Amino acid sequence: QKEVEQNSGPLSVPEGAIASLNCTYSDRGSQSFFWYRQYSGKSPELIMSIYSNGDKEDGRFTAQLNKASQYVSLLIRDSQPSDSATYLCAVEAGTALIFGKGTTLSVSS
Amino acid sequence: EAQVTQNPRYLITVTGKKLTVTCSQNMNHEYMSWYRQDPGLGLRQIYYSMNVEVTDKGDVPEGYKVSRKEKRNFPLILESPSPNQTSLYFCASSLATTNEQFFGPGTRLTVL
Repeated sequence: QKEVEQNSGPLSVPEGAIASLNCTYSDRGSQSFFWYRQYSGKSPELIMSIYSNGDKEDGRFTAQLNKASQYVSLLIRDSQPSDSATYLCAVEAGTALIFGKGTTLSVSS
Repeated sequence: EAQVTQNPRYLITVTGKKLTVTCSQNMNHEYMSWYRQDPGLGLRQIYYSMNVEVTDKGDVPEGYKVSRKEKRNFPLILESPSPNQTSLYFCASSLATTNEQFFGPGTRLTVL
């Protein structure tokens, strides 16, 4: 059974701080990794994709991938209250995406 | 506007009454998929389709049917809904080459 694990949280950070979200996965053959943001009652929204080891930056978001450790992370710099949401890690498994259960982030002003 | 649409957005029905949830995308995506999301269980894939007339089971296909007669449409059919199918359902689509899936707005289904 292919699995994606995330801490459920909640992760609480003050406004302006860095939020660090982590994800581990079981399938060593996975090549594509994604972070989705989901506000309560809304659909998941793709915010980052990463395919190679290392860092990928997009605005305030940085995704980090370490395939040897089977580890993916998302850093959110200068966190804002509007970043408060559940963040889903998704890992490609052949023709499917396997989703973690998500980490709830709360940014306090 | 590039989007995935689902209808209806909300549905309350009774056990055994057949229903269809429609999904349509305007991005010419080959890949389409249905998920259900339940508290504590996360997003689980029901069925997916790699292209027209090509469908396959996901992790939780029991009690559901799908069809893919046109590239843009991927309806989800519940022939005889039961209360354990009460859930939030999402349709998603992507290009076959990227797996970057875009989600519809969701359908909240309640089966009494």
